[in-house]
Amino acid sequence: AQSVTQLGSHVSVSEGALVLLRCNYSSSVPPYLFWYVQYPNQGLQLLLKYTSAATLVKGINGFEAEFKKSETSFHLTKPSAHMSDAAEYFCAVSENDMRFGAGTRLTVKP
Amino acid sequence: NAGVTQTPKFQVLKTGQSMTLQCAQDMNHEYMSWYRQDPGMGLRLIHYSVGAGITDQGEVPNGYNVSRSTTEDFPLRLLSAAPSQTSVYFCASSYSQSNTGELFFGEGSRLTVL
Repeated sequence: AQSVTQLGSHVSVSEGALVLLRCNYSSSVPPYLFWYVQYPNQGLQLLLKYTSAATLVKGINGFEAEFKKSETSFHLTKPSAHMSDAAEYFCAVSENDMRFGAGTRLTVKP
Repeated sequence: NAGVTQTPKFQVLKTGQSMTLQCAQDMNHEYMSWYRQDPGMGLRLIHYSVGAGITDQGEVPNGYNVSRSTTEDFPLRLLSAAPSQTSVYFCASSYSQSNTGELFFGEGSRLTVL
């Protein structure tokens, strides 16, 4: 079955610094990959998704992710962190159903 | 524009009690699913449905039942609650039966079992 591993349960960056959240996946077929964001006391919202088109995927709020098949990775980046980016981020992989990673909590320091 | 609506938002149960978490969506989505979210474990799939009358098990189905009599509704039943079922539960839906599309989530239902 498909699975994802998110490296680092907690990432802390300064405002204006690069954000890098790591995700590696395992899938027996070409995967559909997703990043979701969860703000406190809310459900998850889609940030971006990869569906075998361009390997660099742009999402909302300035986030992007690059699909690297050779590394089985789908890391999420943002060039400059903003205070409003503080949230929990989940990587997910989909075959017949969607499976999520354990999540990475992003803290942004002023 | 309601999207995915879950009720109740909060519930406290005693061990052995039963209850139903309600989920309704107004987007005419065929695919619906239930997840539980626990600290350090992300979201784990409990059950899912690809259309009315069709349900299937996810990663952690034990202790939960579901049914899908209409496209709009997908209730989750706990027949005999256990403390291990203390969690935050999310219902989600998608327009894609193969689940290659975006999942739309409800706001969650926080359940505590004493």
